[in-house]
Parts: sequence; structure tokens; C-alpha cells
Amino acid sequence: GAVVSQHPSRVICKSGTSVKIECRSLDFQATTMFWYRQFPKKSLMLMATSNEGSKATYEQGVEKDKFLINHASLTLSTLTVTSAHPEDSSFYICSARDPSGRLYEQYFGPGTRLTVT
Amino acid sequence: AQRVTQPEKLLSVFKGAPVELKCNYSYSGSPELFWYVQYSRQRLQLLLRHISRESIKGFTADLNKGETSFHLKKPFAQEEDSAMYYCALMGASGYALNFGKGTSLLVTP
Repeated sequence: GAVVSQHPSRVICKSGTSVKIECRSLDFQATTMFWYRQFPKKSLMLMATSNEGSKATYEQGVEKDKFLINHASLTLSTLTVTSAHPEDSSFYICSARDPSGRLYEQYFGPGTRLTVT
Repeated sequence: AQRVTQPEKLLSVFKGAPVELKCNYSYSGSPELFWYVQYSRQRLQLLLRHISRESIKGFTADLNKGETSFHLKKPFAQEEDSAMYYCALMGASGYALNFGKGTSLLVTP
């Protein structure tokens, strides 16, 4: 089946620094990828939809200048958390849609645990 | 606005007992509804989709438009069913998913 990877799996950074998280589709080309954020004991919240070759579409309330998304190729999307604050600490999950597969199916990455100190 | 509600944070049942995980939704159009499962230390994966009307690992879910519900059921729970279950709605905005808060199912021997 389709596999999505994320790197790193966990990262610790200091306040004020930026951190980049990668999401890769390993065996398919993903024209659309999604970024979610999961708070402790809460649901996944959609942050943005990333389309290859175009600007990401951000959900209401998500700061696009803080959470920079780049989908430069059909197998890679990156999320950069800029000027990180402790409240940005969270679990970030990406998913990718395989346009050659079932229209509705998304494949999820394992997630990245971000801790901002 | 679209919303998915899973009223139970935790559901604990004995092995062999029936289980029902509740999911209610609000959506003005025709929703596409899904159940996703996350086993311990594993990634989120699709369990089933309402249109497929299939049974996966003994689980079924029926869309009830009158009650705006999509409850997940299994007649005889197994210990390996212990996991986090998320109900999700796919609206009109390009395949993005709106998740409920999840229900943690614990099946004890």
C-alpha cells in the first residue's frame, strides 16, 4: 500500500527559531497533501491543504506566515514553523492523496512531535 | 459549518461484548463519512467509508441521515480492537477531512 513518511519524528527547538518538517509520499505521486495538528487528547485539526506547484490553502485561524508550507514536488511537502513559541508544541501529521487511487483515500504519515522550549 | 461529534472519550467493554462508537455530524450537503483507527504507536489508517457499506474487521457503520449519525458497531469486540477511533467527514472542499475528537476503545479480557 501507499506509504507516507515524515521527518523528523520528533524535534526539540528553542523559542524564536524555525523548524522544518518534511512529508514524503514514498511510492506514489501526491498532488495534494494535508497538514494536521493534534493537541494532547484532542482531535486532528486541519491546518492547510498543500497542492503541488501552487500556494497552500490555509484553514481559518491558521497563520500562513507562521506555518509556511511548500509543496515543490509531487512527493514532498514541507511545513516550516517560523519563530516557534512554546504554544506551537504539538504533534503534526501530514497526509497525502494518491490521485491514481481511490478518490477519497488519504494516507497518513506517522507524525512529528515538536517541542519548543 | 461542518462538525463531527464523538460524545465518548473512552469506551471500555469486555471481550466478546458488543460495541458501538457514536458519531454525529452536521453538514449542509451530502457528506462523505469515514471511520479512521489508530492503534498504539501506529499511524492513522482508514477503517471504513460509508458509501462502501462494507464490513472491515467485523466493524460496520450505517449512515443515518435522519439522525445525522454514523455510529460504528461490532457485535463481538476483540482485545486487538483496542485503539483510538476517529469519525471524519469529507466536505466539499477538496478531500480535506474534518475529524471528531476521537473515542478510545479499550477491550478487556
